[in-house]
Amino acid sequence: AQSVTQPDIHITVSEGASLELRCNYSYGATPYLFWYVQSPGQGLQLLLKYFSGDTLVQGIKGFEAEFKRSQSSFNLRKPSVHWSDAAEYFCAVGLNNDMRFGAGTRLTVKP
Amino acid sequence: ETGVTQSPTHLIKTRGQQVTLRCSSQSGHNTVSWYQQALGQGPQFIFQYYREEENGRGNFPPRFSGLQFPNYSSELNVNALELDDSALYLCASSPGSGAFSETQYFGPGTRLLVL
Repeated sequence: AQSVTQPDIHITVSEGASLELRCNYSYGATPYLFWYVQSPGQGLQLLLKYFSGDTLVQGIKGFEAEFKRSQSSFNLRKPSVHWSDAAEYFCAVGLNNDMRFGAGTRLTVKP
Repeated sequence: ETGVTQSPTHLIKTRGQQVTLRCSSQSGHNTVSWYQQALGQGPQFIFQYYREEENGRGNFPPRFSGLQFPNYSSELNVNALELDDSALYLCASSPGSGAFSETQYFGPGTRLLVL
């Protein structure tokens, strides 16, 4: 069955530390891959997306993600986290007329 | 700011009632998608409209229906409300023909509470 998994429900990092949020998917073909961020009471904002080509994708706010076909993963990274990065992060996959989101990872940033 | 607006921001209804949620897409965006986000979960795809025709649907019953208008506005209608329909409802617009290959621009959502 098609699915998107974000194994970490909640992650806490110190400001200035590096961050990696994990995402794994299970699809018959390589879908389109996205990372979104949602701040409290807000809609979703696209951080980055992967359709094809270079497997390392650069996004907004200093985020990047790497697509690894062999691992069916699309992990999100940031080298130095800022307090304003505290939010909920969603990995999403799209293929044909189906769009699925993971359950999300809540990021807390310690001062 | 994504240029996508939704109304109302909050709504309280009673089980069994009907509700209409509205979305105004970016001008020129021919595709609109609707999502349901229950508390503590990721969004779930309800359906997608392209040029006023439904062209994709998730695992939601027929009491969830939609309309898209030529002026880039759209509606989500839910009949016979159930308690489990309580959620944040998000709409997202994109410029092309959908199929989720494009960037979607999300509105801030409408929070629906069913009592």
